[in-house]
Amino acid sequence: SQTIHQWPATLVQPVGSPLSLECTVEGTSNPNLYWYRQAAGRGLQLLFYSVGIGQISSEVPQNLSASRPQDRQFILSSKKLLLSDSGFYLCAWKQGALYEQYFGPGTRLTVT
Amino acid sequence: GESVGLHLPTLSVQEGDNSIINCAYSNSASDYFIWYKQESGKGPQFIIDIRSNMDKRQGQRVTVLLNKTVKHLSLQIAATQPGDSAVYFCAENSGGSNYKLTFGKGTLLTVNP
Repeated sequence: SQTIHQWPATLVQPVGSPLSLECTVEGTSNPNLYWYRQAAGRGLQLLFYSVGIGQISSEVPQNLSASRPQDRQFILSSKKLLLSDSGFYLCAWKQGALYEQYFGPGTRLTVT
Repeated sequence: GESVGLHLPTLSVQEGDNSIINCAYSNSASDYFIWYKQESGKGPQFIIDIRSNMDKRQGQRVTVLLNKTVKHLSLQIAATQPGDSAVYFCAENSGGSNYKLTFGKGTLLTVNP
């Protein structure tokens, strides 16, 4: 069966510091991968998605970036965090031919 | 722009009652819809999906209804239990996209014992 991991689970970072969140998927190959952000009490905002290694599509221009160095690894980064970057970050995957996405446990980021 | 939205942001029901959560969508080109359940502090969990060539689909204690005429989607939960308390999101495949889902704002379901 497939599983998706995210770490860290929680993170508190000062404004201006860098960020690196990691997501890995097990039990599948060549998945589509997604990064979402969820503000408190709000819906899911798609940030980036990837259909293959090194292929990144950005949905919302901001100070975040994403990379996919390996088939089942997706990384979300920032060089300098802003207060507005606080939120719940979710990674998701799906098989290319299907529609349904499966989510990881999320990372709670608080920028202070 | 195109969007998926929910009629009711909160819903409170008694344990054992049936729950109905509604969702409106505006993109007539969307042909796949999905419901997720998100418990506090966790990632969304797939509940049930439906394609536009269907108007009803049933799962275990859940039923999704799709009315393409009025662009309306609903999730019915039978015999609601305290463990059903969560935020429920509907999502559509963004005008027929094979890559992206557009999510609604969510409805908070609270089940009172």
